[in-house]
Amino acid sequence: AQTVTQSQPEMSVQEAETVTLSCTYDTSENNYYLFWYKQPPSRQMILVIRQEAYKQQNATENRFSVNFQKAAKSFSLKISDSQLGDTAMYFCAFRGAQGAQKLVFGQGTRLTINP
Amino acid sequence: DVKVTQSSRYLVKRTGEKVFLECVQDMDHENMFWYRQDPGLGLRLIYFSYDVKMKEKGDIPEGYSVSREKKERFSLILESASTNQTSMYLCASSPPGQGPYEQYFGPGTRLTVT
Repeated sequence: AQTVTQSQPEMSVQEAETVTLSCTYDTSENNYYLFWYKQPPSRQMILVIRQEAYKQQNATENRFSVNFQKAAKSFSLKISDSQLGDTAMYFCAFRGAQGAQKLVFGQGTRLTINP
Repeated sequence: DVKVTQSSRYLVKRTGEKVFLECVQDMDHENMFWYRQDPGLGLRLIYFSYDVKMKEKGDIPEGYSVSREKKERFSLILESASTNQTSMYLCASSPPGQGPYEQYFGPGTRLTVT
């Protein structure tokens, strides 16, 4: 069974700083998808960024980028020029490319951006 | 705009009560999911459905059942609520297929069982 581990329960940075959230996973599959979701306080979970395992190029969405290391089974999220609105719980998630569309989530990292 | 709604944001029930959590999506998605979210444990899949009247167990189905009579609606049922089912419950939906499709989440229902 796949597992996803986020080893940083909480992080806190100053506004405009860059922050990196860690995620590691375990799988025997060769093809899969990885996601970062954001859950702002009292608001709905939304997708931040996604990565397809067969793509070597790291995904980027504006200030959000990932460092995908397939051999190391690592998928970290970098937030550049952090903003107060980035304050949220962040979840890393894994999904195999075959079979059901089940997501396996990590434990989450609570990120606080301080003014 | 994509929308997933859940019937209640907060719910308080007594031990032994039958509890219904409703989820509705307006995106014509085939796949729907129920998760529970607990601090330090992330989200864990309870049940999912990939079509009307179809359901599959997730990782923690014990004590729960589901119903999907219409494509847009997926219900989670706690047959006899217990205090260890106090949690945040999140519903999600996604389109079919094997691509890297995102799941769209509802706002969640925070259930307290006393």
